[in-house]
Amino acid sequence: EAEVAQSPRYKITEKSQAVAFWCDPISGHATLYWYRQILGQGPELLVQFQDESVVDDSQLPKDRFSAERLKGVDSTLKIQPAELGDSAMYLCASSPGSGGGETQYFGPGTRLLVL
Amino acid sequence: GDSVTQMEGPVTLSEEAFLTINCTYTATGYPSLFWYVQYPGEGLQLLLKATKADDKGSNKGFEATYRKETTSFHLEKGSVQVSDSAVYFCALTWDNYGQNFVFGPGTRLSVLP
Repeated sequence: EAEVAQSPRYKITEKSQAVAFWCDPISGHATLYWYRQILGQGPELLVQFQDESVVDDSQLPKDRFSAERLKGVDSTLKIQPAELGDSAMYLCASSPGSGGGETQYFGPGTRLLVL
Repeated sequence: GDSVTQMEGPVTLSEEAFLTINCTYTATGYPSLFWYVQYPGEGLQLLLKATKADDKGSNKGFEATYRKETTSFHLEKGSVQVSDSAVYFCALTWDNYGQNFVFGPGTRLSVLP
């Protein structure tokens, strides 16, 4: 069964450093999502792509976070500089079509710890 | 705006006990409703879904019925197992382009042998 791949699984960094996370969605899935999940809470959307275009990045802290999906396939989420409050699980998900009403398939996540 | 409320956890049950996790939503109209499960250290997995009122989603012994009159989508299982220990998230979304998920805060379930 096809899965969403993410790397790394775990990342420890010091504040003010730059970090990057990678996601490879299920082959053929047009929509890709990045979520942040703080311990004990539900996921919150950071950015949504339809192919290579950003559909929603209203909750992305653009002063330090950036995301790209240049060829409409895999995607990178970057934080620069990292802050203590960025410690969380970063989840990537994909869905086959335009996203509306569709099941989202999640990767295993990247757990970030900022020291 | 749209929101999802779940019963507070953690919920602790003995093996073979009956499970109910309450979920209610606030939204205008009739969204699609989902239950996702997250096992320790892993991402979320779809457990079941319902796309219109009175639909019942079911999977792995879990069931939930879309009740528009009470705006609810409660999760139930007749006999839980230790392997069901996880965090359960209720979520809603809309059938429109670009619409995303709104997740509840999650309910942690622990099943004791």
